Amino acid sequence: ETGVTQTPRHLVMGMTNKKSLKCEQHLGHNAMYWYKQSAKKPLELMFVYSLEERVENNSVPSRFSPECPNSSHLFLHLHTLQPEDSALYLCASSQDRSGDNEKLFFGSGTQLSVL
Amino acid sequence: AQSVTQLDSQVPVFEEAPVELRCNYSSSVSVYLFWYVQYPNQGLQLLLKYLSGSTLVKGINGFEAEFNKSQTSFHLRKPSVHISDTAEYFCAVTKRYTGFQKLVFGTGTRLLVSP
Repeated sequence: ETGVTQTPRHLVMGMTNKKSLKCEQHLGHNAMYWYKQSAKKPLELMFVYSLEERVENNSVPSRFSPECPNSSHLFLHLHTLQPEDSALYLCASSQDRSGDNEKLFFGSGTQLSVL
Repeated sequence: AQSVTQLDSQVPVFEEAPVELRCNYSSSVSVYLFWYVQYPNQGLQLLLKYLSGSTLVKGINGFEAEFNKSQTSFHLRKPSVHISDTAEYFCAVTKRYTGFQKLVFGTGTRLLVSP
């Protein structure tokens, strides 16, 4: 148990569907992240929230919409996705302390398939 | 900007043999370096990290890595592997003194340990 829980574990959706990925951390951290993991490619940082404020948006298409209602929860809302968006979506959290890089704690991910 | 190169996409090895997984990075500024491991159907876990001090870093599960600034490398080693070490290993880099982790990951090396 890493302390970061992602649901659902698997998701199949059509290109016209709307769905949401959920992430919850029980570690008292104040920063949360969404990463995309595609086969044969490096992990791609999508979004970072620090103290519930979005501080990073790595040129992610608008069909991905993050939401961080509080420091323990992070959502990724999906709509009109493309087949190339099929990937493993990983949530992570950390304790954000300036000048001191502590480790990221990852969830097990949501395996997304877009048909 | 930082980048990471993991030259070997897959490394097959027999149980109890030594292994080295290679990682080279590029950066114009001082960095922190990390190795993460991903077991099947799980998220990433931190194996070890180099922040400062001794260039030989010891991590969990008997792994160690050596930071070589002149060769811009951070190779991961284990003197004797087990079947349970079969996993994907990711090298990552971030520049020092960032307020939150903006890790840049490599493409990963799959370690396959056979009896």
